[in-house]
Amino acid sequence: AQKITQTQPGMFVQEKEAVTLDCTYDTSDPSYGLFWYKQPSSGEMIFLIYQGSYDQQNATEGRYSLNFQKARKSANLVISASQLGDSAMYFCAMRSNTGGFKTIFGAGTRLFVKA
Amino acid sequence: GAGVSQSPRYKVAKRGQDVALRCDPISGHVSLFWYQQALGQGPEFLTYFQNEAQLDKSGLPSDRFFAERPEGSVSTLKIQRTQQEDSAVYLCASSLDGGGFAQPQHFGDGTRLSIL
Repeated sequence: AQKITQTQPGMFVQEKEAVTLDCTYDTSDPSYGLFWYKQPSSGEMIFLIYQGSYDQQNATEGRYSLNFQKARKSANLVISASQLGDSAMYFCAMRSNTGGFKTIFGAGTRLFVKA
Repeated sequence: GAGVSQSPRYKVAKRGQDVALRCDPISGHVSLFWYQQALGQGPEFLTYFQNEAQLDKSGLPSDRFFAERPEGSVSTLKIQRTQQEDSAVYLCASSLDGGGFAQPQHFGDGTRLSIL
């Protein structure tokens, strides 16, 4: 069965510091995609970054980077130079060929950025 | 607007009533998804459309839930004889592709449904 695990219900980070949000996944499909989304308190789900299972390099998008360790089945999100506006829920998600059209989401990590 | 639009933003209904939730995807997006998000949890997949075809409805929790996208654009999620456990945020998402998993999904703001 396909599964996403986010073991950190909540995380605190000081403004301007970097933070890593953990994500592990389980799939037997060799072809899959991993996503991170941000959900502020207002409710909208914002796409942050994507990593394909065959991508040779870790994905980066501005202050976001994905630490992809395929053998460990982990896809941690690194946010550099945290800002107050980064305070939100963060969801790791996966989609695969054998999973069909479903996107599987983790339970999320709530990030608090301190001034 | 250019994004995914959902209406109503909030819906309160009495147990047993029928409700209809609307999603207007980004123009030209082939794929449309519905998710249910309970408080404090991640979204759970409900159903998927590719244009007007409903290709996957395996996540619909019961036959009280019905979704349609008759012209391949606007979609409606209908819940009949609502129950308290249906209270959740219902998210709609669309993506450009016709099934490839690499495309990110663009989400609407959701409809917060409360069943009294």
